[in-house]
Amino acid sequence: GQNIDQPTEMTATEGAIVQINCTYQTSGFNGLFWYQQHAGEAPTFLSYNVLDGLEEKGRFSSFLSRSKGYSYLLLKELQMKDSASYLCAVRELLSGAGSYQLTFGKGTKLSVIP
Amino acid sequence: DAGVIQSPRHEVTEMGQEVTLRCKPISGHDYLFWYRQTMMRGLELLIYFNNNVPIDDSGMPEDRFSAKMPNASFSTLKIQPSEPRDSAVYFCASSPDRYGYTFGSGTRLTVV
Repeated sequence: GQNIDQPTEMTATEGAIVQINCTYQTSGFNGLFWYQQHAGEAPTFLSYNVLDGLEEKGRFSSFLSRSKGYSYLLLKELQMKDSASYLCAVRELLSGAGSYQLTFGKGTKLSVIP
Repeated sequence: DAGVIQSPRHEVTEMGQEVTLRCKPISGHDYLFWYRQTMMRGLELLIYFNNNVPIDDSGMPEDRFSAKMPNASFSTLKIQPSEPRDSAVYFCASSPDRYGYTFGSGTRLTVV
C-alpha cells in the first residue's frame, strides 16, 4: 500500500513562483507523476520522475528524492489559467503480481490571484 | 486522435437501478484503467486491463461493480444495483505502456 500526502489548498499571486510538495511511503517505488486537473475536467499529464533530481519543462519543474520519499512541483511565472488541482501520483510495482499500480494523492487546489 | 471517449458525460439514476458506463480507449493503447473520484477519497483505481484481460480488480468496492473489456476498443463498468454512495465521477484512462496515462472526460454519476 501507499500513503501520499500533499497540501489541500494553496494560494499564490499571478507572476509568482509556487512549490507544491508531495511525500509518499511505498515499498515498490517505480516512478512519480504530476497531473493537473481543472475543475470539472479530466487530469492531464504534467511530468514524470523515476530518478532523483529535477526535470524541467517550460514553466513547470518537478523534483524527486527517492531516499526521502519526497517530490515537489514548481510552477514559475504563475498565470491565472494555472488555477487547478495538482495531483501527485506514485507508481508501485506490486510484488508477486508482476503488475504496477498508480495511486493518486488527493490533490492540491491551487488558486492564483491577481 | 479523438482521445479516450467516455459516455455518458452525465448520468442521474434512481437507487437500485443498473448503471452502465462506457469507454473507448485510444487505438493502440494496451492498458485501460477505471478510476473513481470523490471529494473525500480523491482518485481511486477500481480495475485495470492489459490486452483486454483484467489484471487487478482489487479496487472494485464490492460485487455490485463489474467491468468488462470484450475487445481492444471498448470497455464497460457496470453497477447493479446502484446506491447513493456510488455518486462520483468515473474516469477511464488508457496507456500504451505503464507510463503516460490519458484520461477520458469522465462520467458524472448521481444516484438519488
